[in-house]
Amino acid sequence: DAKTTQPNSMESNEEEPVHLPCNHSTISGTDYIHWYRQLPSQGPEYVIHGLTSNVNNRMASLAIAEDRKSSTLILHRATLRDAAVYYCNHTGTASKLTFGTGTRLQVTL
Amino acid sequence: KAGVTQTPRYLIKTRGQQVTLSCSPISGHRSVSWYQQTPGQGLQFLFEYFSETQRNKGNFPGRFSGRQFSNSRSEMNVSTLELGDSALYLCASMFGYSGTQETQYFGPGTRLLVL
Repeated sequence: DAKTTQPNSMESNEEEPVHLPCNHSTISGTDYIHWYRQLPSQGPEYVIHGLTSNVNNRMASLAIAEDRKSSTLILHRATLRDAAVYYCNHTGTASKLTFGTGTRLQVTL
Repeated sequence: KAGVTQTPRYLIKTRGQQVTLSCSPISGHRSVSWYQQTPGQGLQFLFEYFSETQRNKGNFPGRFSGRQFSNSRSEMNVSTLELGDSALYLCASMFGYSGTQETQYFGPGTRLLVL
């Protein structure tokens, strides 16, 4: 099964950048890396995904290590609305849709 | 386009009973996956259905089962409920299936409390 490791929690000040790491050492060559976040009392929502190259969208950036065994979700300017649990996972033909326990991000003024 | 819907949103059952939860995917999506979420355990994968066939299954006992209908709607059933089955049950839909780059879209979940 696909396994990911993330820190349990992280804190950030508002307007500061946040780097959320994820280790996925069992990733295979064709697995995509996805990040989701779960706001309180809601189901998870998509944030960003990538395969090998770094990716940017309006919500965040995704930096993928050269060996693909780790990735970092970057929130360029954290806001209070970004307080959530962030999950990474990787999916491919050989891996199941598994998530870890995620990182709870706290954003303070 | 309507999102993923799950019914009921809240449910209270007693030990030994069985329960059926329903998930309606986004229109056009053919894959539905189910997850159990409990405090401290994160999202635990239950199973994935694509075009009425189970493609993947997580490490849950046989009391947990599911099915998918021809309109892609899915149900999951838990028989002989135990206290530890109390959780938020989430379903997610995709157009394709796992193994692609496609994104999952999650519903709001059904919160099950077993007394």
